[in-house]
Amino acid sequence: DAMVIQNPRYQVTQFGKPVTLSCSQTLNHNVMYWYQQKSSQAPKLLFHYYDKDFNNEADTPDNFQSRRPNTSFCFLDIRSPGLGDAAMYLCATSRDFGGGSIQYFGAGTRLSVL
Amino acid sequence: EDQVTQSPEALRLQEGESSSLNCSYTVSGLRGLFWYRQDPGKGPEFLFTLYSAGEEKEKERLKATLTKKESFLHITAPKPEDSATYLCAVQAGGTSYGKLTFGQGTILTVHP
Repeated sequence: DAMVIQNPRYQVTQFGKPVTLSCSQTLNHNVMYWYQQKSSQAPKLLFHYYDKDFNNEADTPDNFQSRRPNTSFCFLDIRSPGLGDAAMYLCATSRDFGGGSIQYFGAGTRLSVL
Repeated sequence: EDQVTQSPEALRLQEGESSSLNCSYTVSGLRGLFWYRQDPGKGPEFLFTLYSAGEEKEKERLKATLTKKESFLHITAPKPEDSATYLCAVQAGGTSYGKLTFGQGTILTVHP
């Protein structure tokens, strides 16, 4: 089945040690998103790519960066994780941006910071 | 500013006890209203999209409806496997074009 795949499912890192989370998709969608979701909270959009165009949310900390080397893959880099960055990170894709386009989510990566 | 409010925050039902979840929204130019199901430790799973007032969609025991101010997710004769957090999100025009604004979710627990 076509899907959005996130790796790893669980990631443990140390305070200040860079970490990279991975997302791949077989849907051939144009748009890929990264969300942060903390316990009992709604997902919060960090940034998205429309094809190769990167769009950062105004309140996304500089500590978070992203790369999209091709249509299928997108990476989330956290340069110096703090304790407050422990969360579930969700990748999503959609065929288009806006216009009622449905976002499909991966299973998420649970990040722990020690 | 787009706003989405879901109620109740938590709902406990007995198996077979039908009920409804509410999603009230205020947006500038609705492009779509989305319902997702999220199981603990997993990503949101897409359920329905509604685009205009009066629209209804059904899937198994779930039925979603939409008015100009709110959406309902009706659950008929729920089973324990329907237990999850149900998220409502809107996509609007204006300055937030293309983005999803989520509600806080309703945690549904169905007891056997």
